[in-house]
Amino acid sequence: GQQVQQSPASLVLQEGENAELQCNFSTSLNSMQWFYQRPGGSLVSLFYNPSGTKHSGRLTSTTVIKERRSSLHISSSQTTDSGTYLCALRHYNQGKLIFGQGTKLSIKP
Amino acid sequence: DMKVTQMPRYLIKRMGENVLLECGQDMSHETMYWYRQDPGLGLQLIYISYDVDSNSEGDIPKGYRVSRKKREHFSLILDSAKTNQTSVYFCASSSWTGYAEQFFGPGTRLTVL
Repeated sequence: GQQVQQSPASLVLQEGENAELQCNFSTSLNSMQWFYQRPGGSLVSLFYNPSGTKHSGRLTSTTVIKERRSSLHISSSQTTDSGTYLCALRHYNQGKLIFGQGTKLSIKP
Repeated sequence: DMKVTQMPRYLIKRMGENVLLECGQDMSHETMYWYRQDPGLGLQLIYISYDVDSNSEGDIPKGYRVSRKKREHFSLILDSAKTNQTSVYFCASSSWTGYAEQFFGPGTRLTVL
């Protein structure tokens, strides 16, 4: 089965609302990374978060290893936040990232 | 300035032609990766390189080979490209131990006709 599951698959919000994106994983974790991608764009690393909570501006990432989940919270969303958000876990003893299928976020003005 | 570069950014080739995708990084990372991204399949690892001349197959290595002769440079080679290799290819680099955040390049959009 899929080792990294993201939810929701898509999310439509009004500008100013908060967004909560979830990532659940079924295998041992070495680290969790969150990325942002615009259509046709590259992957921009938002957070490298092995465990605990990290903040960056309006973004907050929380990883709880024993519950096998990570979340990305976007507060006071803006239209420029629209795009796809990907979580990826780096497995113990493996260098590769295992990606989720992504959450497509649309922020309406 | 931490950066991963990729050349070319866009490439159109005919089936059977050889393709060379190039990647560079300025962070002295020992580990480098090639992924491809396809709609519905997400990102999949093609090859990983642990250092110069130390390469391992990823999840989908068939039809690809790699070369790493300098730590800062990693190439992906398609010998006799196939139409199902049309994709967006991303290169990434990271440290292997400790802080292992992966940094991605801008991608190469390859079309094989």
